[in-house]
Amino acid sequence: AQSVAQPEDQVNVAEGNPLTVKCTYSVSGNPYLFWYVQYPNRGLQFLLKYITGDNLVKGSYGFEAEFNKSQTSFHLKKPSALVSDSALYFCAVRPPDSNYQLIWGAGTKLIIKP
Amino acid sequence: NAGVTQTPKFRILKIGQSMTLQCTQDMNHNYMYWYRQDPGMGLKLIYYSVGAGITDKGEVPNGYNVSRSTTEDFPLRLELAAPSQTSVYFCASTDSGRASHEQYFGPGTRLTVT
Repeated sequence: AQSVAQPEDQVNVAEGNPLTVKCTYSVSGNPYLFWYVQYPNRGLQFLLKYITGDNLVKGSYGFEAEFNKSQTSFHLKKPSALVSDSALYFCAVRPPDSNYQLIWGAGTKLIIKP
Repeated sequence: NAGVTQTPKFRILKIGQSMTLQCTQDMNHNYMYWYRQDPGMGLKLIYYSVGAGITDKGEVPNGYNVSRSTTEDFPLRLELAAPSQTSVYFCASTDSGRASHEQYFGPGTRLTVT
């Protein structure tokens, strides 16, 4: 079965330090890959996506993500964390020929401490 | 553009009651989705629509119904509410004709069934 895994329920990072939120997937073919962020009591907001091309994609709020085909991973990164980055982060994958449906990871809570 | 709007924001239902969650988008998107988000879980797809008059089941459709009479509106109907339907419900949309591919989300409806 196709799936998306976010192996860490929670990631704690000190402000100013680099952060990484991990995502791996098990999907056949060449999927599209997405990261979304959810702030408390809000809907999900799109951060960035990988469709094709350069393995390092840049998105909103200084976030970037690295696609690794051999490891089937799409880790979210930021060089210097801000307290305001504290939120719930979701990785999602759109398999080929999926009628635009997404497979979602369970989410990772990112806590940035001052 | 207001984007994707959902009403109500909060609702408490008694077991066996019915209600309709409203979703409207003003971006002329052809695809629309209903998700539920349970605590500590990712999003589960309930129903989706690829255009007016066309709907299809997602991963967890039991206990729900949808209709899509216009491009803008995609209401979700709960018949005979059960405690298992306590969740946060998100509506989303996307435009299959554009290269953007990402889904746009409403702010959510928090439903409690007691």
